[in-house]
Amino acid sequence: DVKVTQSSRYLVKRTGEKVFLECVQDMDHENMFWYRQDPGLGLRLIYFSYDVKMKEKGDIPEGYSVSREKKERFSLILESASTNQTSMYLCASSSRLAGGFVEQFFGPGTRLTVL
Amino acid sequence: SQKIEQNSEALNIQEGKTATLTCNYTNYSPAYLQWYRQDPGRGPVFLLLIRENEKEKRKERLKVTFDTTLKQSLFHITASQPADSATYLCALSGTYKYIFGTGTRLKVLA
Repeated sequence: DVKVTQSSRYLVKRTGEKVFLECVQDMDHENMFWYRQDPGLGLRLIYFSYDVKMKEKGDIPEGYSVSREKKERFSLILESASTNQTSMYLCASSSRLAGGFVEQFFGPGTRLTVL
Repeated sequence: SQKIEQNSEALNIQEGKTATLTCNYTNYSPAYLQWYRQDPGRGPVFLLLIRENEKEKRKERLKVTFDTTLKQSLFHITASQPADSATYLCALSGTYKYIFGTGTRLKVLA
């Protein structure tokens, strides 16, 4: 079974703190993604990576950075957390087979609250 | 800009009926369209993928249609059950990037 795990289910941080969200997948997938999900706005892509050390901005990269040092691990970093970054964060991975046009496997999500 | 629209209002149906969910899109020509199920507090789970040159795809009680002229996909659940209650998301892809709709919440009443 494909498994995507995220480091925390719930996280509470203070404004200005540096926040690390970790994601690990065990299926040797090339592609990994970070989304945030907010009511009425759906899933919005923050960053994605199609290979180790490669990253590309998604639709809402401002205030975030990412790191992919190993194929199985993709980290999302909030350099200085702000209250408008309170959200559900979802990590996903997919294979590069068929040109990458395949299903994404999602982690359980991290609900981040910034006070 | 690219836009996906799903009915934001919840859909309530009686057990045993067919549920039909709609996904409309604009300013996009996706090569693939996918449907996911999401339960509260959990990540989405993949259900079906349909390619632009396919009109219809089936999997057990699920059926998806893809009309590139209308720019619309319909997602059907036949013989619906209370366990089918969830939010259903459609997603379009043309490259590595996926664009998701906001989802439609389905409630199947016993």
